[in-house]
Amino acid sequence: RKEVEQDPGPFNVPEGATVAFNCTYSNSASQSFFWYRQDCRKEPKLLMSVYSSGNEDGRFTAQLNRASQYISLLIRDSKLSDSATYLCVVSGGGADGLTFGKGTHLIIQP
Amino acid sequence: NAGVMQNPRHLVRRRGQEARLRCSPMKGHSHVYWYRQLPEEGLKFMVYLQKENIIDESGMPKERFSAEFPKEGPSILRIQQVVRGDSAAYFCASSPLTRGPGNTIYFGEGSWLTVV
Repeated sequence: RKEVEQDPGPFNVPEGATVAFNCTYSNSASQSFFWYRQDCRKEPKLLMSVYSSGNEDGRFTAQLNRASQYISLLIRDSKLSDSATYLCVVSGGGADGLTFGKGTHLIIQP
Repeated sequence: NAGVMQNPRHLVRRRGQEARLRCSPMKGHSHVYWYRQLPEEGLKFMVYLQKENIIDESGMPKERFSAEFPKEGPSILRIQQVVRGDSAAYFCASSPLTRGPGNTIYFGEGSWLTVV
């Protein structure tokens, strides 16, 4: 089983629609969770952290389910500029930094 | 811009040559991480360094790859005798003094290595 697993997509979504991604992780000892966004040939940039209680930032909502070991990201009222690859990232104990999923590719269509 | 600085941004090497990638962390950050992203793949952790120390190199290939973070100057990822399979984007990231749950890391813009 892969450490962090995501549906690679692509997700083709009309502008204004709501889209949701899920991500599963295998290490039950993981402590921190993040969604990063990566544009084509650019570096990953932190979109938001994910907390057990769930958190919202504008049109973006992230949720964590520790029991089922999955993380979700919901994007409402999608914009053309939301087109990117969304990386699920999990941090565990130890000095090994972060474990990245391969990403979910989102294409917002006009 | 006081962000993570990487250079060169693009590097072309012939098979068998050496590639050196440099990374200067954000001001005030003393932890550096190197990641590799192969085409159509996710980022893979390579190595984690602090000044003059390699903390974790579990993601580094056993041969041809080395990394350092000297007391003065940038961190360097060195790839000797490059092969076509080394063609990838290499991202450096840095984090503050204390790395712990919830502390995020910040990425540089990456160095794209092409081996011809």
